[in-house]
Amino acid sequence: GNSVTQMEGPVTLSEEAFLTINCTYTATGYPSLFWYVQYPGEGLQLLLKATKADDKGSNKGFEATYRKETTSFHLEKGSVQVSDSAVYFCALKGNTGGFKTIFGAGTRLFVKA
Amino acid sequence: NAGVTQTPKFQVLKTGQSMTLQCAQDMNHEYMSWYRQDPGMGLRLIHYSVGAGITDQGEVPNGYNVSRSTTEDFPLRLLSAAPSQTSVYFCASSSDGLNEQFFGPGTRLTVL
Repeated sequence: GNSVTQMEGPVTLSEEAFLTINCTYTATGYPSLFWYVQYPGEGLQLLLKATKADDKGSNKGFEATYRKETTSFHLEKGSVQVSDSAVYFCALKGNTGGFKTIFGAGTRLFVKA
Repeated sequence: NAGVTQTPKFQVLKTGQSMTLQCAQDMNHEYMSWYRQDPGMGLRLIHYSVGAGITDQGEVPNGYNVSRSTTEDFPLRLLSAAPSQTSVYFCASSSDGLNEQFFGPGTRLTVL
């Protein structure tokens, strides 16, 4: 079945450091891929998405490229801020399995001033 | 638009009690889901619905019931609460099967 694997956290960075959070997936067909972010005490909210191979999703300085050849969707940001401290979830939604969303376990990011 | 709303925000139950977690959305979304979030385990799907009158089980449905009598509402019922159901519960909706989900703020449930 479909699955998502993302790097374990927590990840601790200093402000203005480069961020990469790895995400790989297993799916049949051509799923849509998502990154969601969860700030403390809140629900998840969409950060960015990509719906087909080689698409790049971007938002708030974050980027991720849908790589079908490596089945990956790594999240990157060139210069993190303290306000980026949150939990990040990689997810996929396929055209099989009843269109259910499959989430990774989440990666907690701490950014120090 | 209020988006996805959930009530209550916090709840404490005793073992064996029943209760209903409320979820409503005002975006006319067909798809709605309930998840539980536990430390280190990400989100696990409890039940979902692809439209009014249609529900199906997710990954961890035992101990929970749902119904979908209207497009807007998707309540989650705990039949006989157990300490293992202590968790944060999120409701989500989406317009179709391939687009992103919109999440409510969550309900933090403690079962003693």
